[in-house]
Amino acid sequence: EVQLVESGGDLVQPGGSLRLSCAASGFNLGDYAMHWVRQPPGKGLEWISAITWNSGTTDYADSVKGRFTISRDNAKNSLYLQMNSLRPEDTAFYYCTKDMRLMWEILVPVFDVWGQGTMVTVSS
Amino acid sequence: QSALTQPASVSGSPGQSITISCTGTSSDLGTYNYVSWYQQHPDKAPKLLIYDVSNRPSGISNRFSGSKSGNTASLTISGLQAGDEADYYCCSYASSSSVFGGGTKLTVL
Repeated sequence: EVQLVESGGDLVQPGGSLRLSCAASGFNLGDYAMHWVRQPPGKGLEWISAITWNSGTTDYADSVKGRFTISRDNAKNSLYLQMNSLRPEDTAFYYCTKDMRLMWEILVPVFDVWGQGTMVTVSS
Repeated sequence: QSALTQPASVSGSPGQSITISCTGTSSDLGTYNYVSWYQQHPDKAPKLLIYDVSNRPSGISNRFSGSKSGNTASLTISGLQAGDEADYYCCSYASSSSVFGGGTKLTVL
């Protein structure tokens, strides 16, 4: 079964840091671009970051640029999101998602597999 | 990176058809045919319904269809069913980023 499982969500103070992980199973994560999407409780979806299959290209939403870093370890079938200088408005469920197409170089939004999400709460 | 514009809510009766619009700009929808649609039931992860404006992934009912004209994309659901009641989101490529719509709550009356 194709599956993504996020972990690392927690309660953190403003200005703090957190690292999210996403473990893939049932497919070779190294063949696909991956994205992070977040959703504040009761609100809509926001795309925040993406990385190509070979880590050659990374993209970020303006809201997280300079504070968040996406990375991957294909040998471990894992995706990561390092979040620094966290703000209360970063409070959300964070989903990792898989690009549907094999080894695409353009980070377009075709998210065919989603994890269950991990909750990040930024509050003092 | 402004969010795409969707109506906050739409409704329809079982068996009817509804259309959800998604309006962007020449920086996203208007230029790229990389528009996707997602269905999200409460407390569930989103599910891909449509990609590249009008393509359905394997396993998605042909009751779901997508189109685009200019800066506006549309999702049409025909033969409404109770299980279609959910939130729907459009998403577009926007050159080095992606942007979602604000979401539309579909109520099946």
